Amino acid sequence: DAGVIQSPRHEVTEMGQEVTLRCKPISGHDYLFWYRQTMMRGLELLIYFNNNVPIDDSGMPEDRFSAKMPNASFSTLKIQPSEPRDSAVYFCASKGGFGTPATGELFFGEGSRLTVL
Amino acid sequence: GQQVMQIPQYQHVQEGEDFTTYCNSSTTLSNIQWYKQRPGGHPVFLIQLVKSGEVKKQKRLTFQFGEAKKNSSLHITATQTTDVGTYFCALGTSGGSYIPTFGRGTSLIVHP
Repeated sequence: DAGVIQSPRHEVTEMGQEVTLRCKPISGHDYLFWYRQTMMRGLELLIYFNNNVPIDDSGMPEDRFSAKMPNASFSTLKIQPSEPRDSAVYFCASKGGFGTPATGELFFGEGSRLTVL
Repeated sequence: GQQVMQIPQYQHVQEGEDFTTYCNSSTTLSNIQWYKQRPGGHPVFLIQLVKSGEVKKQKRLTFQFGEAKKNSSLHITATQTTDVGTYFCALGTSGGSYIPTFGRGTSLIVHP
């Protein structure tokens, strides 16, 4: 398996522009997580899905952020409009659920580094 | 919500010295995970601890889970430059699904 795949790896954009980050989880995993990492706040859970359904989005900072999971193999995190304080590394992670041999281990993608000027 | 404190935030050591990072929770945990993130990389799972007082070893790494299941530690014996990175503990919520809350991490810098 190729692991969790994220795109783009790097994105530089100007304030006010829309940003879309993409994630392909590991096949068969039924949990998908979006995390944001900054020096100031560490690794923050933004939202997670179970079987494509958003379960907890309490970590989403504000209405400018939205996430979707239209099917089991694809998720997006959208920021509209973007602001400089959104600059961070955004990680997607997936894990198996009940009935899998997984310990609950999260598999992270390589991240999308976002810079908003 | 669940509070997790991880100390120290940074640790500089000379190659060959030992290193320990501690993770403390405000609540009793069902289990705890540890991850390592190399500079510029992504978090990678190391281990999960479940039982009270559990001790697990991976080569030079020793992981402990406190008797009260409120704290954990990771100890590295005789550090090497390849140990450089940030070590995170991740606390799980109770119930059937493990949805981890990550600590702030301890960044280990090893000087050759």
